[in-house]
Amino acid sequence: GAVVSQHPSWVICKSGTSVKIECRSLDFQATTMFWYRQFPKQSLMLMATSNEGSKATYEQGVEKDKFLINHASLTLSTLTVTSAHPEDSSFYICSARGQSQNSYNEQFFGPGTRLTVL
Amino acid sequence: GQQLNQSPQSMFIQEGEDVSMNCTSSSIFNTWLWYKQDPGEGPVLLIALYKAGELTSNGRLTAQFGITRKDSFLNISASIPSDVGIYFCAGQPMEYGNKLVFGAGTILRVKS
Repeated sequence: GAVVSQHPSWVICKSGTSVKIECRSLDFQATTMFWYRQFPKQSLMLMATSNEGSKATYEQGVEKDKFLINHASLTLSTLTVTSAHPEDSSFYICSARGQSQNSYNEQFFGPGTRLTVL
Repeated sequence: GQQLNQSPQSMFIQEGEDVSMNCTSSSIFNTWLWYKQDPGEGPVLLIALYKAGELTSNGRLTAQFGITRKDSFLNISASIPSDVGIYFCAGQPMEYGNKLVFGAGTILRVKS
């Protein structure tokens, strides 16, 4: 249980284009999902908290118009990097919060999406 | 913002040796989680701790939630080559709701 998938696993795009990344909880419903980015040899940095049916909550310094988050269902959250530039190249990882009483505070991570902007 | 101090930054050990890493915080945490990340993949949850003093094992892994609720350690016994990876501690501060704060990670390399 608690499997999270991401699609695509990697993407290369031209500067100025937009890229959509999907995060799905496969065997449970996730009212809350989280989006992180990770630079090489660094830790995970929380970008935003995605809540089903409501607006995402962004961390300080993260541009909400740049990183659009939609959490339209209990199993799917999407992150769209708009007008991507080379500095947006990174490893983007989503996670979903556990739903059972025992796993309520645990986050289960997707496999990540490697974005390269040329 | 919240910070976790994770140490050591990296370790290069001989296969069969035991490993210990820890995380400390300046504030009280509700939850401590330990994750392992392989290159190019997302973190995988190893152990979750919810109570001060709690000691939990998962195979060769053992982790403890510090009594002061400001620290946690992870031990790996009899290391094997597949233990190679980056280990992250993550904690949930009381005032952060359901968000996690991550340590900087411990890079583990194993000589066989």
